[in-house]
Amino acid sequence: EVQVVESGGGLVQPGGSLRLSCAASGFTFSNYWIHWVRQVPGEGLVWVSRINSDGSSIDYADSVKGRFTISRDNAKNTLYLQMNCLRAEDTAMYYCARGGQYSNSPFDYWGQGTLLTVSS
Amino acid sequence: EIVLTQSPGTLSLSPGERATLSCRASQSVSSNYLAWYQQKPGQAPRLLIYGASSRATGIPDRFSGSESGTDFTLTISRLEPEDFAVYYCQQFGGSPYTFGQGTKLEIK
Repeated sequence: EVQVVESGGGLVQPGGSLRLSCAASGFTFSNYWIHWVRQVPGEGLVWVSRINSDGSSIDYADSVKGRFTISRDNAKNTLYLQMNCLRAEDTAMYYCARGGQYSNSPFDYWGQGTLLTVSS
Repeated sequence: EIVLTQSPGTLSLSPGERATLSCRASQSVSSNYLAWYQQKPGQAPRLLIYGASSRATGIPDRFSGSESGTDFTLTISRLEPEDFAVYYCQQFGGSPYTFGQGTKLEIK
């Protein structure tokens, strides 16, 4: 069974840092592009970042560029999102979503999310 | 950036009725790269339709997708109680992978 499970969310002060993790199982993790998507409670979905299967190609939404870093450890079947210089507007549920084996694939499996709250 | 505009914002219907949800793109989107997702309260989104009209694994055939130029449509032929949720369209042709703002399908 394909599963992706996020962790690492919590309460952080503005300007602080946090690292989210996404543990994958049930599929060959190293073959897939993976994405981070966030959602402010009660609002819509916003794509944040993506990484290709071997980590050589990365992209970010403009709103997080320069502050967030996506990475993966294929030996551990785990995706990461290092978030620095956090702002109140980064408060959201963060979802890890599996893409396909190519850049233009739908997001076919999603985790249950991990909640980040940025507040003093 | 491709902007996707969904309409209506809220759709009130009864079980058994037909639902038609729309998604308009600000510029050309290949139908191959348009998806629809369903999200219920407290749950993660679930992929319903990709490639504008292909159903994802396990999705019942009452869900269908179509396209006409830059306009995309999700149709639910006969609403079941479990279909009342928020629906999002998304283009996944390349970064940024934009979503529409969502259509809430509520019970009338």
